[in-house]
Amino acid sequence: ILNVEQSPQSLHVQEGDSTNFTCSFPSSNFYALHWYRWETAKSPEALFVMTLNGDEKKKGRISATLNTKEGYSYLYIKGSQPEDSATYLCARNQAGTALIFGKGTTLSVSS
Amino acid sequence: NAGVTQTPKFRVLKTGQSMTLLCAQDMNHEYMYWYRQDPGMGLRLIHYSVGEGTTAKGEVPDGYNVSRLKKQNFLLGLESAAPSQTSVYFCASSRLGEQYFGPGTRLTVT
Repeated sequence: ILNVEQSPQSLHVQEGDSTNFTCSFPSSNFYALHWYRWETAKSPEALFVMTLNGDEKKKGRISATLNTKEGYSYLYIKGSQPEDSATYLCARNQAGTALIFGKGTTLSVSS
Repeated sequence: NAGVTQTPKFRVLKTGQSMTLLCAQDMNHEYMYWYRQDPGMGLRLIHYSVGEGTTAKGEVPDGYNVSRLKKQNFLLGLESAAPSQTSVYFCASSRLGEQYFGPGTRLTVT
């Protein structure tokens, strides 16, 4: 079992603030790192899938970086909006195995 | 495309009863998964399948069985439900990349 750790567990910011979360994972036998966005009463939706050390991906105001050598990934949200309120999950797998998820970071953005 | 669908959406069982949760996907994905979501625990993998006719155990397989007789369907069975199996169950499917999740099944065992 691969332990995926996310911090902080929860976060509350004001509209317009920029924020970031951390996902740490064992770096051995790395295959891919996923980020998902999970809104209350909905299903998780994929944000990014990253495989290469140094990968940086961006979708609108949200971006992510990956360091496979030291085993961490950061998710950044620039200028947070109330609609960004959700739980953000990261997950990793080795080749040929299923994803193992972290417990998530729950973001609350107030206007 | 319907994507990933789950049946039923809600169910209440008594301890000892059995039931089967159905997951169906119309994206021709090879991989399918069953997770449970509990407060403070995130998503935990129960069982998964890498193709028709194959299944494998995840993190928390005890008390559950699965079958993948057809590529598009992945069934999760509870032979003798226990209160500890009260949870929200999510199915997902994928090729090699991102997973697509179903809407979830809320199961309560009394």
